[in-house]
Amino acid sequence: QVQLVESGGGLVKPGGSLRLSCAASGFNLSDYYMSWIRQAPGKGLEWISYMSNSGNTIYYAASVKGRFTISRDNGKNSLYLQMNSLRAEDTAVYYCAKDPTFRVRFEQWGQGTLVTVSS
Amino acid sequence: QSALTQPASVSGSPGQSITISCTGSSGDVGTYSLVSWYQQVPGKAPKLLIYEVSERPSGVSDRFSGSKSGNTASLTISGLQADDEADYYCCSYVSSSTFRLFGGGTKLTVL
Repeated sequence: QVQLVESGGGLVKPGGSLRLSCAASGFNLSDYYMSWIRQAPGKGLEWISYMSNSGNTIYYAASVKGRFTISRDNGKNSLYLQMNSLRAEDTAVYYCAKDPTFRVRFEQWGQGTLVTVSS
Repeated sequence: QSALTQPASVSGSPGQSITISCTGSSGDVGTYSLVSWYQQVPGKAPKLLIYEVSERPSGVSDRFSGSKSGNTASLTISGLQADDEADYYCCSYVSSSTFRLFGGGTKLTVL
């Protein structure tokens, strides 16, 4: 069964760090273009990071660039998002999503993991 | 870069058709046919409805269709049903470091 399962969310203080994981099953992550997308409470979707199938091309939204790092472990078939210098405005549900192409086609999403940044 | 522009809300009666617009610029929607649409029921992950402006994934009802004119993409839902009530988001490729941009979302109410 093709599935994405995020984990690692929780409560963290402003300025703190957190690492999110996205475990894939039923397919090889390295065959797909993967993104992290977040949704603040009661707000819309915001794309924040992308990694190509080769892993050679990475993009970040301006709102997280320099603070967040996307990575992948092919052996564990997992995608990660290292989040540093967290701010209150980073509070959101974080989703990983897979795209079989380069063409903005998020065909499958995980269930999401909630990150709350608060003192 | 700001989100693509969608109406905050639309409504329709069962059986009717509604259209949700998604307005961008020449740097995204206007130039590239790389617009997708997603349906999100509260508390759930989004679901892909349309990709590349008008393509439908297998398993998505043909009541959902997409189109584009100039800088505006549109999602049309025909034969409205009660379970179409959800939030809808567009997303586009962007030819800059922004790379991917979502619309602000549209809440569909089925009267």
